[in-house]
Amino acid sequence: DAGITQSPRHKVTETGTPVTLRCHQTENHRYMYWYRQDPGHGLRLIHYSYGVKDTDKGEVSDGYSVSRSKTEDFLLTLESATSSQTSVYFCAISDGGLSSYEQYFGPGTRLTVT
Amino acid sequence: GNSVTQMEGPVTLSEEAFLTINCTYTATGYPSLFWYVQYPGEGLQLLLKATKADDKGSNKGFEATYRKETTSFHLEKGSVQVSDSAVYFCALWRNTGNQFYFGTGTSLTVIP
Repeated sequence: DAGITQSPRHKVTETGTPVTLRCHQTENHRYMYWYRQDPGHGLRLIHYSYGVKDTDKGEVSDGYSVSRSKTEDFLLTLESATSSQTSVYFCAISDGGLSSYEQYFGPGTRLTVT
Repeated sequence: GNSVTQMEGPVTLSEEAFLTINCTYTATGYPSLFWYVQYPGEGLQLLLKATKADDKGSNKGFEATYRKETTSFHLEKGSVQVSDSAVYFCALWRNTGNQFYFGTGTSLTVIP
């Protein structure tokens, strides 16, 4: 199994509070991704990173920011959490090469915003 | 744009039944196609993939053939087991931006 961990695994927070989710990898993969999973929507890309300090927006980036100061860590921040951000968040990594672009997923973080 | 459409679930089958989960895609150029599986409480795992037209991906008794003429990548298994109960996601990958596009997922429950 690819070495990907997410923390915390579960979190309950109140509307308006900041929240940071962490993804950590031990594979030295170049690409890292944050997705959210919601019923009826499958997985939707929030942000991704193609290198240290290099990030870009995905399909549903509003209300989220990311940072990547080291190859192994990719942080997702909700500056002011809203109930619509209640979801399961998955981190994924990829080597990004033409022959190894498969994504490997972490175990997920279940976030509830009350 | 790029998108994936897969059949609505949930799907419930008896053990040893034949499984088909339909998946069609919209994409420019020549995407690569994937099936991922998600077991309860876990992240997604790659099940199989196909990188060009007429390729057949296979793993653990599951198969899917990349059909460019019908823009489809249907997942099949001849005899399902209770342990196959999971959510299955069809996905495509485009080289541009190195992004995946996922379908909404199909939940499969296999009963003894």
